[in-house]
Amino acid sequence: GQQVMQIPQYQHVQEGEDFTTYCNSSTTLSNIQWYKQRPGGHPVFLIQLVKSGEVKKQKRLTFQFGEAKKNSSLHITATQTTDVGTYFCAGERAAGNKLTFGGGTRVLVKP
Amino acid sequence: DAGITQSPRHKVTETGTPVTLRCHQTENHRYMYWYRQDPGHGLRLIHYSYGVKDTDKGEVSDGYSVSRSKTEDFLLTLESATSSQTSVYFCAISETTGITGNTIYFGEGSWLTVV
Repeated sequence: GQQVMQIPQYQHVQEGEDFTTYCNSSTTLSNIQWYKQRPGGHPVFLIQLVKSGEVKKQKRLTFQFGEAKKNSSLHITATQTTDVGTYFCAGERAAGNKLTFGGGTRVLVKP
Repeated sequence: DAGITQSPRHKVTETGTPVTLRCHQTENHRYMYWYRQDPGHGLRLIHYSYGVKDTDKGEVSDGYSVSRSKTEDFLLTLESATSSQTSVYFCAISETTGITGNTIYFGEGSWLTVV
């Protein structure tokens, strides 16, 4: 079946530094989505990427979809304590199908 | 936040007892899902529904059953709870957007402990 892998599993970041988390699918995706889950909370939708090579920005967050539509990345610049949480990517093999979630990257910020 | 209510939010139960978790939505969305979240495993789909009385299995469906008799309610039942079913359970809803696919909205979660 379809597998979605995320690396790293944990990311310790100094406040103010940048970091990137990566998402890789075993199959070509129709679209990829990113979710954020704060500690003790529920996953919240951040963004969806559909086109090959697509890049989208949300303030300090930059999301990219690979040319082959099998991988994605999330880059956060100038990390803040509000960025703490677990970031999940989720891939959809065909539009309207079930999402497959990656294992998540848990981000911890050192002040 | 999407109008999703899960109940109970927290439950401790004994091994071998049946447990039912309820998900109620006010969005009239077609699709409803039950996920479980465990450390190191992320979010795994248990069952989902694509309409009233229309359900299908996810990747970790063994030991679970679901029912959807109304658009707004999706029930998850553990027929005979085991310790391996101790987890956080999330209900989610979506309305497929066709070309761009589903965006999922999650409920607050139900913490289940089986002792």
